[in-house]
Amino acid sequence: GAGVSQTPSNKVTEKGKYVELRCDPISGHTALYWYRQSLGQGPEFLIYFQGTGAADDSGLPNDRFFAVRPEGSVSTLKIQRTERGDSAVYLCASSPYGQGQETQYFGPGTRLLVL
Amino acid sequence: GEDVEQSLFLSVREGDSSVINCTYTDSSSTYLYWYKQEPGAGLQLLTYIFSNMDMKQDQRLTVLLNKKDKHLSLRIADTQTGDSAIYFCAEVPSGNTPLVFGKGTRLSVIA
Repeated sequence: GAGVSQTPSNKVTEKGKYVELRCDPISGHTALYWYRQSLGQGPEFLIYFQGTGAADDSGLPNDRFFAVRPEGSVSTLKIQRTERGDSAVYLCASSPYGQGQETQYFGPGTRLLVL
Repeated sequence: GEDVEQSLFLSVREGDSSVINCTYTDSSSTYLYWYKQEPGAGLQLLTYIFSNMDMKQDQRLTVLLNKKDKHLSLRIADTQTGDSAIYFCAEVPSGNTPLVFGKGTRLSVIA
């Protein structure tokens, strides 16, 4: 596609529910990143995929968070038993090869609100 | 660990220059970036600089890097109302690829 797309753009859920957030990277990009941006903060790294595998998941806050990228393109971030503190904008980015000097192209984000 | 610091707010008059400052802690960072975020929009890459450079100019944007002090700045010449946004400084620590962002500087341009 022309850019990174994310769905839904907004998601409201209740505490304790399960949510899935989707990211569709730029076609052909092998690297995909998830970041979380809380109100008034900069984005914080969650997980990075190189192809289908998670190359670095050190930013996932706990085991309620999980992400997959089964075919090396679309990725889904899954949050179980959501908590109010999970409310944030979840940003996805992709880059061609995942090398340090590459530009990461960001999607518009999914705004998650946990009531 | 890595930490990137920025001042939170900056207000300038239209037509003046804006200077947004950033300090970082990882002296081995190889690339440093400036991103712009407008309300409700994703992050847009403005410019970046390699750690072996002192300065980079791109139209109205000038990036200065002082490696000794681990200080990065972004100067916007002839600031326009359309430049109002949040500007994030980010680094790529050596050996890693995820970006480490500052908290962002909110630039307000007064007409």
